[in-house]
Formats: sequence, structure tokens, C-alpha cells
Amino acid sequence: GDSVTQMEGPVTLSEEAFLTINCTYTATGYPSLFWYVQYPGEGLQLLLKATKADDKGSNKGFEATYRKETTSFHLEKGSVQVSDSAVYFCALSGSNYQLIWGAGTKLIIKP
Amino acid sequence: GAGVSQSPSNKVTEKGKDVELRCDPISGHTALYWYRQRLGQGLEFLIYFQGNSAPDKSGLPSDRFSAERTGESVSTLTIQRTQQEDSAVYLCASSLQGLSSYNEQFFGPGTRLTVL
Repeated sequence: GDSVTQMEGPVTLSEEAFLTINCTYTATGYPSLFWYVQYPGEGLQLLLKATKADDKGSNKGFEATYRKETTSFHLEKGSVQVSDSAVYFCALSGSNYQLIWGAGTKLIIKP
Repeated sequence: GAGVSQSPSNKVTEKGKDVELRCDPISGHTALYWYRQRLGQGLEFLIYFQGNSAPDKSGLPSDRFSAERTGESVSTLTIQRTQQEDSAVYLCASSLQGLSSYNEQFFGPGTRLTVL
């Protein structure tokens, strides 16, 4: 069945460092891909999405490119801030309504 | 408008008791989802509503779990005879429509359930 694999956390970086959180997937067909973020004490919210191969989703300085050839959707940001500290979830939406989720990656940014 | 709301935010109960969790979706959203998130794990799909009907209940972990939705609005998730393994955060989400691969789901803050 469909699945999503994310790099394990926590990931700890210094402010202004470059961020990559890896996400790979297994799916039949052509899923849409998402990154959700959960800030401390808040609900999950959509960060960015891509609906077809080679699409790039971007928001708040974060980017992820839908790579069908490597079945990946890695999340990147050029210069992280303390306020980016959160848990990040990669997910896919296939031919039905369900979102299939990765386990989440906790990101800690130190000043 | 308001986002998805859930109540209670925290619930502590004793093993064997029944609990009821509530979700108020965004007004006008026809699709509603329940998920469970155990500590340090991803989201586990439980059930999906399209309007008032639940076309897929396959994610419910046992017959102790049930859910209903009335008037394309509020949904309640009921867990009977709670067990310690039911302890988790229960998340509700809604979307404008289901059955679409471009489906942005909006999440509530969750209910943290602790079964002693």
C-alpha cells in the first residue's frame, strides 16, 4: 500500500542554518504531496503542497519539489529561524480521500 | 471564519469508562475526518464522513470505537470501555469536499486522551 517515510528527528540546527528534511514515498498512480507543520501547542496546518511531478511548493521560505524519478519530496529552507521550531509531517493523497502520513520530524532551532 | 474546533482539549479517564470527543468543522465543509496520533508517531486514519454518511470506517481499531455526524456539522467520536492503549491525541479535520486528490484538510487542535 501507499506509504511515506521521513527522516527521524529531532533535527537540531542553529539559527540561519540550511535545512533539509527528507521525505520519500511509495504510491500507485500520481499522488499529491504535502508538508504539514505543527507548531508547539497548535493544530496541524498545511505548509505547502505539490500536485504533479516537477511542481515546486513553497511557503514561508520553505520549498519542496515533487520528484517522481526519486519518489521524493524533500523540504528545504535556506535560513531557518527559531520560530521554525515545530514538528513537520510529509503526507500524500492518492486516488481516494485519505492522507497517508509520515511519522513526523521534530525540528529544533537554537539561537 | 472560525477554524475546526475540538472539545475537550484534554480528557483523563479511567480504564473501562466511555468517552465522547467532539469536533466542530469549518462551516460549509462537507468532508470530516478523524485521526489518532500516538506519541512520536504519524497520524493514523480512523474514519471519514462525507456529509452525514461514513463511506469508510475501516480505520476504526475496534468495535469499541464509533462515530457519528449530524447535519453536515458536528461529529462525535465515542470510545467505549477505554483501554490504556487508547491514550493518544485524537485529531479532527475537515475539507470542502472529499474524494479529491487535491484535498486540503484543515485540522483542529486535537483532544489529548489519557486512560489511566
